[in-house]
Amino acid sequence: RKEVEQDPGPFNVPEGATVAFNCTYSNSASQSFFWYRQDCRKEPKLLMSVYSSGNEDGRFTAQLNRASQYISLLIRDSKLSDSATYLCVVSSSGNTPLVFGKGTRLSVIA
Amino acid sequence: NAGVTQTPKFQVLKTGQSMTLQCAQDMNHEYMSWYRQDPGMGLRLIHYSVGAGITDQGEVPNGYNVSRSTTEDFPLRLLSAAPSQTSVYFCASRLQGRGAGYGYTFGSGTRLTVV
Repeated sequence: RKEVEQDPGPFNVPEGATVAFNCTYSNSASQSFFWYRQDCRKEPKLLMSVYSSGNEDGRFTAQLNRASQYISLLIRDSKLSDSATYLCVVSSSGNTPLVFGKGTRLSVIA
Repeated sequence: NAGVTQTPKFQVLKTGQSMTLQCAQDMNHEYMSWYRQDPGMGLRLIHYSVGAGITDQGEVPNGYNVSRSTTEDFPLRLLSAAPSQTSVYFCASRLQGRGAGYGYTFGSGTRLTVV
């Protein structure tokens, strides 16, 4: 089983739709969780950290389920500018590398 | 505050040539890493460092060397370039620790083609 798994998509959704991505991780000792966004031919950029209690940043909500070892990202009221690849990232400790999923591609269509 | 700076942005090499990809950060981050990204493969870790003088191998280290003589710089050396090393290379840095504040900051990448 891969350390971090994501559905590659693509998810094609109309503007204004709500879309959710899930990501599963295999290491139960994982302590840090993030969602990154990567635009075509650009570097990944931190979208949001994921807190144990879940957290929201505008139209974006992240949830963590430690028992089932998955994290989720919900995007409400999708905009054309949300079209990108979303990377799930986990780490087990401060000294270990962050492990990236392969990403889920989102296309928001007018 | 420049963040993470990578040079060059583009490079074409001939098979067998060597070169160094430069990475510098000005955020006093202890942790630095090199990734390569290929279509369908995601980001794969090449080498990483938890501080000056300390480096370790990642998932795909063969054909690459690193050193970390200062906190700021983490160069990646290609010893004898091969077409299989054609890729986009990203350098990333972060504070050492775990939890919400310890995500990576990435450089803008180096697009390398080996012919």
